[in-house]
Amino acid sequence: DGGITQSPKYLFRKEGQNVTLSCEQNLNHDAMYWYRQDPGQGLRLIYYSQIVNDFQKGDIAEGYSVSREKKESFPLTVTSAQKNPTAFYLCASLARGRHEQFFGPGTRLTVL
Amino acid sequence: GENVEQHPSTLSVQEGDSAVIKCTYSDSASNYFPWYKQELGKRPQLIIDIRSNVGEKKDQRIAVTLNKTAKHFSLHITETQPEDSAVYFCAASISQGGSEKLVFGKGTKLTVNP
Repeated sequence: DGGITQSPKYLFRKEGQNVTLSCEQNLNHDAMYWYRQDPGQGLRLIYYSQIVNDFQKGDIAEGYSVSREKKESFPLTVTSAQKNPTAFYLCASLARGRHEQFFGPGTRLTVL
Repeated sequence: GENVEQHPSTLSVQEGDSAVIKCTYSDSASNYFPWYKQELGKRPQLIIDIRSNVGEKKDQRIAVTLNKTAKHFSLHITETQPEDSAVYFCAASISQGGSEKLVFGKGTKLTVNP
């Protein structure tokens, strides 16, 4: 279970506020990913990053932003532009040359 | 882009029976197909995977088959146990210009009744 962590586990936000979700990994993985999970929807890709200082939009990037200043860290900001942000957010990482993505424990965001 | 369809969305079996979950994908360039198990409130965990150069892979009670021509792959669980109850996700991997992405199916909620 160790290796990739997310904090906090639960997060509550008022409408109109930006909030940043943390994702850290000590696996020395190059690639990192953010997914959103809604009931009955599976996992949908928000953003991903293959190397430091570079990232690409996934399928549902609108209303989200990321940064990749360090190899170990890939924070996700949920902005006020995201219309329906209440969801379970999962971060994952992947070693270069491998295929298996390892997931963090997730952050459940609720907008009040 | 890649699209992954997963069926059924829910599956209920008796303990000891077999369970089969099926997925289809659209992009013939997909070359890696993992299956994840997710228990309630937990992170997805990889249980088995298969690459496009292999037709079948087995790990104890779990097996995966891949038909590249038909673009479908299946998860088979034999001798099911109550602890197999969870949501199972299939995925297909796309590699483009050094980037690798997974596209997930919508999941199958498996219930194993004692």
